[in-house]
Amino acid sequence: TQLLEQSPQFLSIQEGENLTVYCNSSSVFSSLQWYRQEPGEGPVLLVTVVTGGEVKKLKRLTFQFGDARKDSSLHITAAQPGDTGLYLCAGDNAGNMLTFGGGTRLMVKP
Amino acid sequence: NAGVTQTPKFQVLKTGQSMTLQCAQDMNHEYMSWYRQDPGMGLRLIHYSVGAGITDQGEVPNGYNVSRSTTEDFPLRLLSAAPSQTSVYFCASSRENYGYTFGSGTRLTVV
Repeated sequence: TQLLEQSPQFLSIQEGENLTVYCNSSSVFSSLQWYRQEPGEGPVLLVTVVTGGEVKKLKRLTFQFGDARKDSSLHITAAQPGDTGLYLCAGDNAGNMLTFGGGTRLMVKP
Repeated sequence: NAGVTQTPKFQVLKTGQSMTLQCAQDMNHEYMSWYRQDPGMGLRLIHYSVGAGITDQGEVPNGYNVSRSTTEDFPLRLLSAAPSQTSVYFCASSRENYGYTFGSGTRLTVV
């Protein structure tokens, strides 16, 4: 069974601070996806990273895929209350099956 | 486009009852999956399909059946509900090498 471990599980910060969420595995994935989920809703795709070492930016969010394609990070610059939510990483196995990490619950206080 | 539509949004079942959770997508995606989300455990894959007529088991398939007679629909059947199946269920669809689009979920309570 392929496992993805996310850290930290919980993060509470003030508006304007920076933060990094980590997603680690001992397995190699063909791609890694990041999702954001709000209460009562399904996860929403933020980004997919495919190539080892790849870096993608989405406004204040920066996503990185490890060189060995086993780990990834999400960095948020100058967090805002609207960034509050559950962040999930998911590794894509063969056949488009996703293995999800346990999630990082982020709260950004104004 | 509606995306991925799940019904019902909420359901309460008695132990031993059966029911079907409906999932439909209008994006012509070949891949569809069912996940359950429990507190502190992330999402776990129940069953998935890579196309009409093809289904396979995921991580936690026991107690659930699926079928994929059309590209659009992927219902999940609970055969004999148990309290351990109390969870939030999400259906998702995608094209190959693209991320998934999720439905808004079905919150199921088994008493």
